[in-house]
Amino acid sequence: GEDVEQSLFLSVREGDSSVINCTYTDSSSTYLYWYKQEPGAGLQLLTYIFSNMDMKQDQRLTVLLNKKDKHLSLRIADTQTGDSAIYFCAERPLSGGYNKLIFGAGTRLAVHP
Amino acid sequence: GAVVSQHPSWVICKSGTSVKIECRSLDFQATTMFWYRQFPKQSLMLMATSNEGSKATYEQGVEKDKFLINHASLTLSTLTVTSAHPEDSSFYICSARVGPAVAETQYFGPGTRLLVL
Repeated sequence: GEDVEQSLFLSVREGDSSVINCTYTDSSSTYLYWYKQEPGAGLQLLTYIFSNMDMKQDQRLTVLLNKKDKHLSLRIADTQTGDSAIYFCAERPLSGGYNKLIFGAGTRLAVHP
Repeated sequence: GAVVSQHPSWVICKSGTSVKIECRSLDFQATTMFWYRQFPKQSLMLMATSNEGSKATYEQGVEKDKFLINHASLTLSTLTVTSAHPEDSSFYICSARVGPAVAETQYFGPGTRLLVL
């Protein structure tokens, strides 16, 4: 089946690193994504990783993929108050004909001073 | 690049009326657009896939006669909520696909908040 799970809430201190975790079920997923949603807004694509990669780094963002465990994580270095938002993990399973994105419920990141 | 806009950003309407939401790709052509619905504090649920020049493909449980989708051009898809009822109140988000099917990425619009009284 298709299911993406995330923890619902994460609170970190400004300047610390944030790690948001996600597990997915469909091993056929070719791409996995991280999106950011600020209050009242649509989704902003943060980064994505191809399934044959273990890690991808983009400035403050590091994505780790453990394909064996179907586990994806997003690390935000030097977390800032502007990073406070909801972060969605999404998989794109082959069974969806490459069209369908399956989203997790989102992790609400709160950054405090 | 890859900017997607939606109009209106919010709308309030009376029960029984129809509401049209527009989704535009501003700086690229999108043969495929997607419509999602998001309830408060919940994730996005795909409603339908909109293909330019052909009929939309609806997800299971989504009424195609209630949620009319038209993708008349490569830069515009519209979602019309017909005979809206309070339970249709939600946040509707569209996205547009960029890139070839295997390596595609979806870029999202800012969303339209619908409140049906």
